[in-house]
Amino acid sequence: RKEVEQDPGPFNVPEGATVAFNCTYSNSASQSFFWYRQDCRKEPKLLMSVYSSGNEDGRFTAQLNRASQYISLLIRDSKLSDSATYLCVVNIFSGGYNKLIFGAGTRLAVHP
Amino acid sequence: DAGITQSPRHKVTETGTPVTLRCHQTENHRYMYWYRQDPGHGLRLIHYSYGVKDTDKGEVSDGYSVSRSKTEDFLLTLESATSSQTSVYFCAISRSSGSNHEQYFGPGTRLTVT
Repeated sequence: RKEVEQDPGPFNVPEGATVAFNCTYSNSASQSFFWYRQDCRKEPKLLMSVYSSGNEDGRFTAQLNRASQYISLLIRDSKLSDSATYLCVVNIFSGGYNKLIFGAGTRLAVHP
Repeated sequence: DAGITQSPRHKVTETGTPVTLRCHQTENHRYMYWYRQDPGHGLRLIHYSYGVKDTDKGEVSDGYSVSRSKTEDFLLTLESATSSQTSVYFCAISRSSGSNHEQYFGPGTRLTVT
């Protein structure tokens, strides 16, 4: 079983739609959580950290459920520019260092 | 912009040849990382560094070595490249002042081993 699992998609949605991605993680010792965005043939870029209380940044809302070990990302009013792959990432302290574990990503395609 | 550059950006090499990839940062960060990214997999850690001359292995370190003789440079070497090392390689830094340990990535090197 992968340590961080995501639905690979693609999620094909029209502009203006609301779309949600979920991610599950297996290590209950995970300490911090992130969503990264990766455009085609580009590097991953930090979209937002995910806090236990949930957090919002404009059209993006992230939620963390530690009991069920899942993380979600909600995108409201989708834009064409939101088309990308979204990576779910967890941080674990293991072997003496902070280790980021990446999901394989969920692809989003927003169409006119 | 985390001030990270990688060179070369693209490379094609033959099986059995040595290859060195360079990661350069301008912001004096202590922690640096090398990842590879392959279809269907998340980014996987190859090696990391927590200071000059201080490095350690990640989860997929076989066939790779690293060196860090200066804070700003972290080199990844494939001693004898194999086709299974065809991948996209990303360097990352961690801003040690960040309590969440988020990482920031360079633009990547696309390596093809023929």
